[in-house]
Parts: sequence; C-alpha cells; structure tokens
Amino acid sequence: EAGVTQFPSHSVIEKGQTVTLRCDPISGHDNLYWYRRVMGKEIKFLLHFVKESKQDESGMPNNRFLAERTGGTYSTLKVQPAELEDSGVYFCASSPLGGGSGYTFGSGTRLTVV
Amino acid sequence: GESVGLHLPTLSVQEGDNSIINCAYSNSASDYFIWYKQESGKGPQFIIDIRSNMDKRQGQRVTVLLNKTVKHLSLQIAATQPGDSAVYFCAERSGGSYIPTFGRGTSLIVHP
Repeated sequence: EAGVTQFPSHSVIEKGQTVTLRCDPISGHDNLYWYRRVMGKEIKFLLHFVKESKQDESGMPNNRFLAERTGGTYSTLKVQPAELEDSGVYFCASSPLGGGSGYTFGSGTRLTVV
Repeated sequence: GESVGLHLPTLSVQEGDNSIINCAYSNSASDYFIWYKQESGKGPQFIIDIRSNMDKRQGQRVTVLLNKTVKHLSLQIAATQPGDSAVYFCAERSGGSYIPTFGRGTSLIVHP
C-alpha cells in the first residue's frame, strides 16, 4: 500500500512569493490533515478535511494560507504571499473514516522562506 | 492554555542502555495518548498508544507509562539501538477528537 505522499520535499522561496504544497493521502482515506512544525517547536495542527469538506480549520494561521481538496482525493496548501515566519516543515496525514489511531503521516515538505 | 510538553529536549544514551523519554501534559480531559517517532527526512510514525483507563502498556521493546495523578507520560525503550535515534513526540487527544495535540519533541541520540 502506498503511503501518504507529499510534494515537493523541499522548497526555498523568497518572501512575497507563492508556494503550493501537495499531499496525496492513502487511497480510500477520507480524513486528511495538515500540520506544521516550526524549527524546534511542537507539531501544530492546521486543518482537517473529511473528503472534500473542511471539518476544522481552526489552526490555519491567517488568510495567507489556503487549503483545498477538490474531489476529496489529493489536497493542496497554498501560501500567498509567503512570509519569513512561514518557514518550517509541513506535514500531511490521513486516516480512514472513523479515525482511531490509524494516522499515517507523509514525509513532509520543508519550506524555507528567505 | 492547555499544553503538552517535554522535560528534556535532547537525550543521549549508549547502545544497549534503556532510554526513558518523559512528557508532561496539562489537559485534565485528555483521555488518549500517543507516542510518535520521527526519523530524519520522514514524517512522524506511530509507536504506541495508551488510553486514560490504563497506566501501562507494552509493545516490542517499548513501554508507555501514564500517571494521571501528576499528568505525566513516559516512553521507555529497552536495549536502545542506533536505529532508535530520532525525535520522539508525545501527543494527547481528548473528548473524542481525532486531532492530537503534540509536544515539542525530544531528540534521542544513541551512541554505538
């Protein structure tokens, strides 16, 4: 079974530019989550999709962040315009409906804003 | 606010020793706890979990202890190996939520 795939693995962009991160969850997983870890700090929840619907987006830092999951398959997280404090590792995770402990994380996208 | 945190950011051990990673939590409503291992270049990987109605749970070479009185969680790794080197995160969930709250992480370094 393929795991959660994230693309790109690394991205370096200049302040003010736009970056789009992509996450492909495990096939059949209706739950999709985005998290972020800023250097040396805890992994923070950003938002949760159930299929194509945003179930909880309470962790989104501000309106420069836009997440979509059209069709309920892969998801994108766009940062526009990027700021220096957006640097960090962005993780995606998926789980089947019903959740439980079946959380699978992707390898993350390391975003560096310079 | 409520938080999950760790006592030590870095733990260095010799191969073969036992490791103990500690975690304090403050949310008294937490009822489910999880330990994750994150190796370099990879995402967090589930290691072991424990529900609040238990105080100990064992896996393969790992044991999680929960002390609800002092809101403390620990992960014990027996006979630590170089492959155990990673960042370990504790996380908690409460009220049936599927969204875990993570701690900052402890870096475990195993010296051969």
